[in-house]
Amino acid sequence: QVQLVQSGAEVKKPGASVKVSCKASGYTFTSYGISWVRQAPGQGLEWMGWISAYNGNTNYAQKLQGRVTMTTDTSTSTAYMELRSLRSDDTAVYYCARLYDGYFQHWGQGTLVTVSS
Amino acid sequence: EIVMTQSPATLSVSPGERATLSCRASQSVSSNLAWYQQKPGQAPRLLIYGASTRATGIPARFSGSGSGTEFTLTISSLQSEDFAVYYCQQYNNWPPLYTFGQGTKLEIK
Repeated sequence: QVQLVQSGAEVKKPGASVKVSCKASGYTFTSYGISWVRQAPGQGLEWMGWISAYNGNTNYAQKLQGRVTMTTDTSTSTAYMELRSLRSDDTAVYYCARLYDGYFQHWGQGTLVTVSS
Repeated sequence: EIVMTQSPATLSVSPGERATLSCRASQSVSSNLAWYQQKPGQAPRLLIYGASTRATGIPARFSGSGSGTEFTLTISSLQSEDFAVYYCQQYNNWPPLYTFGQGTKLEIK
């Protein structure tokens, strides 16, 4: 069965960077895109961006342009999301999700990133 | 950016009754609309895609309708496990530029 297993919780200081991983299994990794979605405490879902696991093409939400980078490692079927220049309002649970035709079929378990001095 | 607006923000319904949740897009998204259910401490779960197609394993009491800019998620007879937050999401862009509604919390009346 399809599984997306994310890395563990992180605590970072303002201005630092964080890199979250998402290891996929149960399907051909390069056949589907991956999106990252975050959720601040008590808030709704925010789409962050997309990466094609086939060719590495990306598209990011405008508000995160310049601070976010999404990559994949096809040899390990793992997707990564790096967010730089962290601020307190980046505190959130970060999810990876496998895309099918634009909607999110499968989700990782989420990774809590806390930004605090 | 396409803005998705859900209403109401909170809906109070008794078990066994019908719940109707709405989602409006700021411009047409055709039928490129999905619904998700999220329970506390859990990742969202796909319910509906293509505006009206149930995802694998989703009970028949969940149904979606609409196209263009107006969409509805209906839960025909609420079960205790259905009380959760529901989000709509449009996926009408290429390259991908997706957006979610702000969510509707379905609570027990």
